[in-house]
Amino acid sequence: NAGVTQTPKFQVLKTGQSMTLQCAQDMNHEYMSWYRQDPGMGLRLIHYSVGAGITDQGEVPNGYNVSRSTTEDFPLRLLSAAPSQTSVYFCASSLDRQNTEAFFGQGTRLTVV
Amino acid sequence: SQQGEEDPQALSIQEGENATMNCSYKTSINNLQWYRQNSGRGLVHLILIRSNEREKHSGRLRVTLDTSKKSSSLLITASRAADTASYFCATGQSNFGNEKLTFGTGTRLTIIP
Repeated sequence: NAGVTQTPKFQVLKTGQSMTLQCAQDMNHEYMSWYRQDPGMGLRLIHYSVGAGITDQGEVPNGYNVSRSTTEDFPLRLLSAAPSQTSVYFCASSLDRQNTEAFFGQGTRLTVV
Repeated sequence: SQQGEEDPQALSIQEGENATMNCSYKTSINNLQWYRQNSGRGLVHLILIRSNEREKHSGRLRVTLDTSKKSSSLLITASRAADTASYFCATGQSNFGNEKLTFGTGTRLTIIP
């Protein structure tokens, strides 16, 4: 199993550009989430999904969209990139809600100039 | 706002010594998890303790949970250079779980050879 795969690993965007961060898991996990990590702030939840076709907002959803058309994929879209979205983005998935751990991808380092 | 706060923010110890880091949280939880993050990498799950458990061991790791004080501690015994990393606690709140984890700001642990 590859686990949770994020692409790309690095990305530089100009202000106003849009892009999609890809996340795929091959563990048949229902629960998937996107976090951003900024220095000194830990991880903050952007959006999450409890199954295909179901998504909801986390703590910092503004400027981001998600969809979950399949169990495996959970892409994160930046609609119009802003310098404040410069961050490291992590995708996570888990088999169940409370009894097991979350698995994280290796992250996407995004710089908006 | 961040649910968890780790203490201390940074810790440096000699190899072979024990390292203790603490986590406090604010609301009722179903479980508390500890994760490790090596520099530039994703998060790796270390241990999960349920709200009805008080202590849990895994190899050189010992986790305690005090729900009355809303706090947890992670003890790493006989530290090694490879333990150098950032450590985060994460909580799953009452009506949610792994899809909506709330992370603390982390403790940066440095093991001096």
